[in-house]
Order: sequence, then C-alpha cells, then structure tokens
Amino acid sequence: GAVVSQHPSRVICKSGTSVKIECRSLDFQATTMFWYRQFPKQSLMLMATSNEGSKATYEQGVEKDKFLINHASLTLSTLTVTSAHPEDSSFYICSARDRFTGSSYNSPLHFGNGTRLTVT
Amino acid sequence: GDSVTQMEGPVTLSEEAFLTINCTYTATGYPSLFWYVQYPGEGLQLLLKATKADDKGSNKGFEATYRKETTSFHLEKGSVQVSDSAVYFCALILDGNQFYFGTGTSLTVIP
Repeated sequence: GAVVSQHPSRVICKSGTSVKIECRSLDFQATTMFWYRQFPKQSLMLMATSNEGSKATYEQGVEKDKFLINHASLTLSTLTVTSAHPEDSSFYICSARDRFTGSSYNSPLHFGNGTRLTVT
Repeated sequence: GDSVTQMEGPVTLSEEAFLTINCTYTATGYPSLFWYVQYPGEGLQLLLKATKADDKGSNKGFEATYRKETTSFHLEKGSVQVSDSAVYFCALILDGNQFYFGTGTSLTVIP
C-alpha cells in the first residue's frame, strides 16, 4: 500500500518551455503533498508544501511564479516548471502523507520515484 | 531548531562487511525517527522507523535504535550486499509537522 506515482520519470525540454510533473497517490488520499528538489551530492531541498484546495506554501528562496503547484484533488498534485532554463535541470521528487494516518506523529512520508528534468 | 546530522560519505565497503551510518538529531521535543533509502534513479523508500526512546526499527537486515541519551539513530547492518548500494537518509518528524532530512550518505558495496 501507500504508493505514490510520479510522472514523467524523465523529461527533456528546450529552454523557455514549460514542463508539468504529476504526483498521484494511488491507494490513499493526501491533503498535503510535498515537492523536493534533489541537488548533486544528493541533498534534498523542500521546495513547497502543496495543500488540497488551497494555495501551496513555498519555502524561502523558491520562486512561486516559476514553480507552479496545483493540488486540485486529494490524489493529485502537479508541479509546473515555467519558462525552464538549464539551471532548473534537476531531480524533482514528490511525497505525500495519508490523509487519515498522516496526522499521526509517526506516520511516514511516501515518495514518488522522481522526475529527472533536463533543460537544453 | 530541529535538524538531523548524518555522517558524510561516500562510504565504500566490501561485501559482507559491517555497516554503520551515524545519525544524530536536534529536536525541541520527542521526534519520530526514520531511515529512508534511495536506489539509483529512484525516489526514497522508507527503510525503518522508531517512534520513541529505546525503540529499535529493523528491516531487510538493517537496524537502528532510538537513543534519547545520545540523540542518535545510527543505522547498522551486519553483512552488506552489493544490492545495498544506495543513498541513505536519516529523517525526523516532530509533532506531525515537517520532515527534516539529513544530507544523505552514499554507500557503495563492492564484490
């Protein structure tokens, strides 16, 4: 159980175009999803917290107009990288907590398999 | 503030060697602690967890014990395999809020 599906797994786009990444919780509902960016040497950076039916909460230094997040349902959040540039090339990972067990202090995050974005 | 500190890698071991990856934490309360594993090209998978002091999490031969007195949650495995090659992340959560991740430790096991 607790599967998070992230799509696409890899995408190559040209500079100036936009790319949408989907994150779906397949067998649970998630009122909150999280978007991470992973840098070389593996460190994870939380970009934003996606809340179902409301605006996302962005971490300091993350441009909300560049990284558009939409969480339209309890099972889907999308991250759109707008006007992508080569410096946006990275590994993006989403995660989610179960709506019903996620408020429990010991409930883990469930991760998607990530999206490798390459901007040429 | 709350944080997690992991030993820096990369770590390279021979098959069947003993593994320890150190993790210490700083938290204002009583966090739950986790180890996640990331295989090449994939997302993170939960490896094990512990929710209170002296709890031992275990999975796939890996173990970690929640030590409140030393604020540690070191990951251990008695005999590593090539298939254990991955990046390992220590993490904590406090009061159901944001997860805090360590910087990750890359492990390579050579035959």
